[in-house]
Amino acid sequence: AQTVTQSQPEMSVQEAETVTLSCTYDTSESDYYLFWYKQPPSRQMILVIRQEAYKQQNATENRFSVNFQKAAKSFSLKISDSQLGDAAMYFCAYRPYAGNNRKLIWGLGTSLAVNP
Amino acid sequence: SQTIHQWPATLVQPVGSPLSLECTVEGTSNPNLYWYRQAAGRGLQLLFYSVGIGQISSEVPQNLSASRPQDRQFILSSKKLLLSDSGFYLCAWSGAAVGTFGSGTRLTVV
Repeated sequence: AQTVTQSQPEMSVQEAETVTLSCTYDTSESDYYLFWYKQPPSRQMILVIRQEAYKQQNATENRFSVNFQKAAKSFSLKISDSQLGDAAMYFCAYRPYAGNNRKLIWGLGTSLAVNP
Repeated sequence: SQTIHQWPATLVQPVGSPLSLECTVEGTSNPNLYWYRQAAGRGLQLLFYSVGIGQISSEVPQNLSASRPQDRQFILSSKKLLLSDSGFYLCAWSGAAVGTFGSGTRLTVV
């Protein structure tokens, strides 16, 4: 069965510094998607970044980038130049490429605090 | 572009009362739809998912049910709420490579 593990329940970073959130997953599939979602105190789930497993290039969205290591089944999120508004819960998720239900498999989340 | 609407945003209901939370999606057809519950402070628990009209799969046994009367409408219901049904409920749709969420409903059962 597919699983997603976020081993860091809580992390903190100084404003303007860089922080990396870890995510590992387990799957026997070769094609899949990986996601990072942000959930601020408003509890709205916001898609931060997405990676297709068939792409070797790491996805980047402004200050957010990933380090995707397919062989190691690792998908870490790097936040550069951290801002106070980055404080939130961050969830890593996996979804198989094929299949009818396209269920997202979720990690338990990492709570990120940004210190001024 | 695709948008997802979920309402109400907050709800306070007495124990034993019925529940109906509604979710609709715009800008896509035949989406896969999901209901999640999130307990205070932690991860998402998938409750139901639907791949088409009238097709509902339940992930965990519980006091809740779901229905999909139209292609882009997904309803979460209960006939009699329990205290343990309190939580934050999120509707989501999944099409292609994107998962998008509604804004959530905070349900408090008193």
